[in-house]
Amino acid sequence: DAAVTQKPRYLIKMKGQEAEMKCIPEKGHTAVFWYQQKQSKELKFLIYFQNQQPLDQIDMVKERFSAVCPSSSLCSLGIRTCEAEDSALYLCSSSWGGAAEQFFGPGTRLTVL
Amino acid sequence: GDSVTQTEGLVTVTEGLPVMLNCTYQTAYSDVAFFWYVQYLNEAPKLLLRSSTDNKRTEHQGFHATLHKSSSSFHLQKSSVQLSDSALYYCALSDLGATGGNNKLTFGQGTVLSVIP
Repeated sequence: DAAVTQKPRYLIKMKGQEAEMKCIPEKGHTAVFWYQQKQSKELKFLIYFQNQQPLDQIDMVKERFSAVCPSSSLCSLGIRTCEAEDSALYLCSSSWGGAAEQFFGPGTRLTVL
Repeated sequence: GDSVTQTEGLVTVTEGLPVMLNCTYQTAYSDVAFFWYVQYLNEAPKLLLRSSTDNKRTEHQGFHATLHKSSSSFHLQKSSVQLSDSALYYCALSDLGATGGNNKLTFGQGTVLSVIP
């Protein structure tokens, strides 16, 4: 089985604090995606990296998030100032690129108090 | 933009009986792939089925789905559910011709399948 790793598994922040979560893609995968999953809601696409370069992201990420892939083996997603609405499960996935299957990590569950 | 609709939030089925989880979609793109992902409690979503061919049945682990472009549907079916099938099921689509190879997934709201003895 593919193994995408995410850390930490759980994160608790106060409103206004900064949050950071990390993703280690499957070895060799060149595409990395981040999704947000809120309670009883669909997974929402946040940002896409190809060969460590961000190629697509939604407006919310541009405005309040910071996302980088400093190496092919590590990506991070940060929230500059947490808000209550950011409470969600953040899922990272990786693939070989193109139409290849995406493999998901277990997610980081962020709770903003 | 693309959208995927799963009308049932919760489907409860007795073990051994058949089940169908509904999935319909809207997309402006012609080169599109469709997926069913399954997510067990506290686990990552895993790919269950994938298809991009109209009217072709795809099967895996006892589940099957057929893409019907005429009705914009990709329903998931199983003829005899097991207790272990209880999970959250997501239908999703991906534009295979996206710029920069961005094959991001557009998900439906998800359907919880609860199998009871």
